[in-house]
Amino acid sequence: GQNIDQPTEMTATEGAIVQINCTYQTSGFNGLFWYQQHAGEAPTFLSYNVLDGLEEKGRFSSFLSRSKGYSYLLLKELQMKDSASYLCAVKDSNYQLIWGAGTKLIIKP
Amino acid sequence: NAGVTQTPKFQVLKTGQSMTLQCAQDMNHEYMSWYRQDPGMGLRLIHYSVGAGITDQGEVPNGYNVSRSTTEDFPLRLLSAAPSQTSVYFCASSYETSGANVLTFGAGSRLTVL
Repeated sequence: GQNIDQPTEMTATEGAIVQINCTYQTSGFNGLFWYQQHAGEAPTFLSYNVLDGLEEKGRFSSFLSRSKGYSYLLLKELQMKDSASYLCAVKDSNYQLIWGAGTKLIIKP
Repeated sequence: NAGVTQTPKFQVLKTGQSMTLQCAQDMNHEYMSWYRQDPGMGLRLIHYSVGAGITDQGEVPNGYNVSRSTTEDFPLRLLSAAPSQTSVYFCASSYETSGANVLTFGAGSRLTVL
């Protein structure tokens, strides 16, 4: 079966750095997405990786290793507004998205 | 640009009632989809459409119907509501499904079935 694993919850301190891991086992691979979802709101797109390596976008970076079925989202200089759930999703061989359950990130002052 | 508009935002139904969740997008996206989101689980695909007149089932289609008569609209119908359908529903669209096409989500519809 297809599976996406990410930690359920993480806690970090304002101003610090946090890494959210995602491992996947899917039927084929056509890209990996990270979305941010604030409580009670819709998911919004953060990043997309299809080749191995690091994609940097401001305070957020996303890394992919296809051979290991592994990705991480790195958030730097954490702000209180970064408190949200972070969803990892993989496009399979049919171009359908398989979603992880999400990681709830709690930022403490 | 309104993006993806979903209505209603909240709805309470009794078991056995039917209702339609509306979804409209103004981005000329070919691909539209409905997801449900439950605590502790990833988003699960209910139905999707790759263009007007074309619909297909996702992972959890039972108890739901869809139609796509226009590019803009993709309503989701609950035929006979059950408590197991209590969930938050999201409509999402993208230009197409391949590659880096990013889903744009509606604000969500919170449904409670008593």
